[in-house]
Amino acid sequence: DTGVSQDPRHKITKRGQNVTFRCDPISEHNRLYWYRQTLGQGPEFLTYFQNEAQLEKSRLLSDRFSAERPKGSFSTLEIQRTEQGDSAMYLCASSADNPGHRNEKLFFGSGTQLSVL
Amino acid sequence: GQQVMQIPQYQHVQEGEDFTTYCNSSTTLSNIQWYKQRPGGHPVFLIQLVKSGEVKKQKRLTFQFGEAKKNSSLHITATQTTDVGTYFCAGRNTGTASKLTFGTGTRLQVTL
Repeated sequence: DTGVSQDPRHKITKRGQNVTFRCDPISEHNRLYWYRQTLGQGPEFLTYFQNEAQLEKSRLLSDRFSAERPKGSFSTLEIQRTEQGDSAMYLCASSADNPGHRNEKLFFGSGTQLSVL
Repeated sequence: GQQVMQIPQYQHVQEGEDFTTYCNSSTTLSNIQWYKQRPGGHPVFLIQLVKSGEVKKQKRLTFQFGEAKKNSSLHITATQTTDVGTYFCAGRNTGTASKLTFGTGTRLQVTL
């Protein structure tokens, strides 16, 4: 295992289409995060899983966004009815569980670059 | 909601000069982390600070966590071209278990 994998690396879609991204975390990591990053900005938190449970979701996230992690391993992020404002880099990160999250560092994947035309 | 701001947004230095980026949170943090993102790359973890007033060093990099646990700084001594990238601080609220909020970032450009 060489790290967090994301697929695809790039996605170009037309406005109104649905898209789905996949993230495979580091195998022993039980926490998985989705972030979104636009040019010149810091990563923006979208949602977070511990095993298969989605524990937190950003209030900024519209109902068009949904994420799953059905078996506590890989995760998918779906965007329905894409809009041009959804164009961004979608980053996945994973981390290992530890008491109180005191030493929890995130390992990021290379991201999926979404362009909505 | 929590906001984490960094200044400056961008700094251009000549190789050998020092560089400092400052991070300020609107809320008290339980800990703060620093990440580096190279151009075209993804964020990579550098360090975590937990205690009030904590100072940690990694070779030419010095990280500091404020006494009130609301601010932090990263100082690079004698920059090299390999230091080029964007530096992000990221913090967790004391009341939030896992959500890590990233700062706005400081982009560092180093020229010979």
